[in-house]
Amino acid sequence: AQKITQTQPGMFVQEKEAVTLDCTYDTSDPSYGLFWYKQPSSGEMIFLIYQGSYDQQNATEGRYSLNFQKARKSANLVISASQLGDSAMYFCAMRELSGGYQKVTFGTGTKLQVIP
Amino acid sequence: NAGVTQTPKFQVLKTGQSMTLQCAQDMNHNSMYWYRQDPGMGLRLIYYSASEGTTDKGEVPNGYNVSRLNKREFSLRLESAAPSQTSVYFCASREGVYNEQFFGPGTRLTVL
Repeated sequence: AQKITQTQPGMFVQEKEAVTLDCTYDTSDPSYGLFWYKQPSSGEMIFLIYQGSYDQQNATEGRYSLNFQKARKSANLVISASQLGDSAMYFCAMRELSGGYQKVTFGTGTKLQVIP
Repeated sequence: NAGVTQTPKFQVLKTGQSMTLQCAQDMNHNSMYWYRQDPGMGLRLIYYSASEGTTDKGEVPNGYNVSRLNKREFSLRLESAAPSQTSVYFCASREGVYNEQFFGPGTRLTVL
């Protein structure tokens, strides 16, 4: 079974609109963490936002927010007021304790294109 | 403070050649990782090192070896390169505020 599933290979959004990128996860570790990273065309991986499994409130960082629905095992990224610079690949990742170490698993990514 | 650095940025090898990818971090992090990124497959863990002196296999370790030379440096070696190892390789270290990973700029490797 996939640990991290991103079902949207590609998404388009109009500039200034909001967009939601989906991510579902699967783990038996009660203490896990969820991350979103951005990868622009230049290739570097940029950390965006983090949600801990015990966090009561949804994480927010500027225009990024994480819609955390624990019972549904989903951790969707919401980008508000999209900008052209948001065009990039977005990866969801999960940290869990597995085999005695903190394992980080990445999804396959969603390519977001912002249309002017 | 350079963060995570990787060398080289690009490399072309012939099948059977060997090479070492270098990675260094100056953030005093204990954990370091090597990933490969292939189209449509996200990042897959090759090897990781939880601390200086320890290394363990990840999801796709075959064909690779690693050395955690000291706390700063974690190298990845391909002993006999194969075309299936054509990929972009990322080194990362971890222990941010949220235990997030910090990534190097990547090495684009082509094996002919």
